[in-house]
Amino acid sequence: GESVGLHLPTLSVQEGDNSIINCAYSNSASDYFIWYKQESGKGPQFIIDIRSNMDKRQGQRVTVLLNKTVKHLSLQIAATQPGDSAVYFCAEKYTGTYKYIFGTGTRLKVLA
Amino acid sequence: DAGVTQSPTHLIKTRGQQVTLRCSPKSGHDTVSWYQQALGQGPQFIFQYYEEEERQRGNFPDRFSGHQFPNYSSELNVNALLLGDSALYLCASSWEGGGDTQYFGPGTRLTVL
Repeated sequence: GESVGLHLPTLSVQEGDNSIINCAYSNSASDYFIWYKQESGKGPQFIIDIRSNMDKRQGQRVTVLLNKTVKHLSLQIAATQPGDSAVYFCAEKYTGTYKYIFGTGTRLKVLA
Repeated sequence: DAGVTQSPTHLIKTRGQQVTLRCSPKSGHDTVSWYQQALGQGPQFIFQYYEEEERQRGNFPDRFSGHQFPNYSSELNVNALLLGDSALYLCASSWEGGGDTQYFGPGTRLTVL
C-alpha cells in the first residue's frame, strides 16, 4: 500500500511506554487545535481537539496540552500499543476562517 | 452511521485531462471541505462548501473547482491535469451547528501520468 510521510520525523517507543508528540503552530490567532492519526492508505482519523481557552484536555489514553505562550501543542499517548503506529498530524484553525492548517506530521513507531 | 465516503478509491489520468472526485458527508453533516495531500506532507486546504456555495478557498488555481448538491454531497473537479496534481484528495465533513471538528474520508488517490 501507499506510504504516508516518507521522510517525516520519527518517534520510536517501546510498547507500553508513554509517547509524546510535539507540534509548533504558526498563528497566535488560532483558536482551535486538533490531532489526527493517519495510517497508511487511509484518511486522517480524529483523535482529540482543544480550544484556545483551555490548556489541557484528556481523552481515552490521550492528553493534549496547549502552550499559547510559545505556540506549542503536544499529544501524549499513555501505554502505547502497536495499533498506535501511524503518522500523527496537528492542525490549527484561526478565528474567522474555516480551513485547517496542518503541521508536517510525526511518524510514531511502536516497538514490540 | 456511515462516515465520510469518497469515490473512486484510485484514479489514473494523463496530463491535460479532467477529473471529477465525489464525496458524501457523514450523516447529519452539512459542510464539506476538500484537501490535497502530497506524498510525505500534511493535507493542504483547497476549499469549503456550505449551503451549496464555496465560502473559503485555499491557494489553488482556478483549475480546481467544486460543487455541493442539495443533499450536501460534493464534487471536486480538476481541469487540465498536471503531473504535480498527483496526490491523495481528501474530503472532510462537519456540521455548521456543531463546532469546528472536521471528519475525513479515506481519500481518492489520483495519479497523473
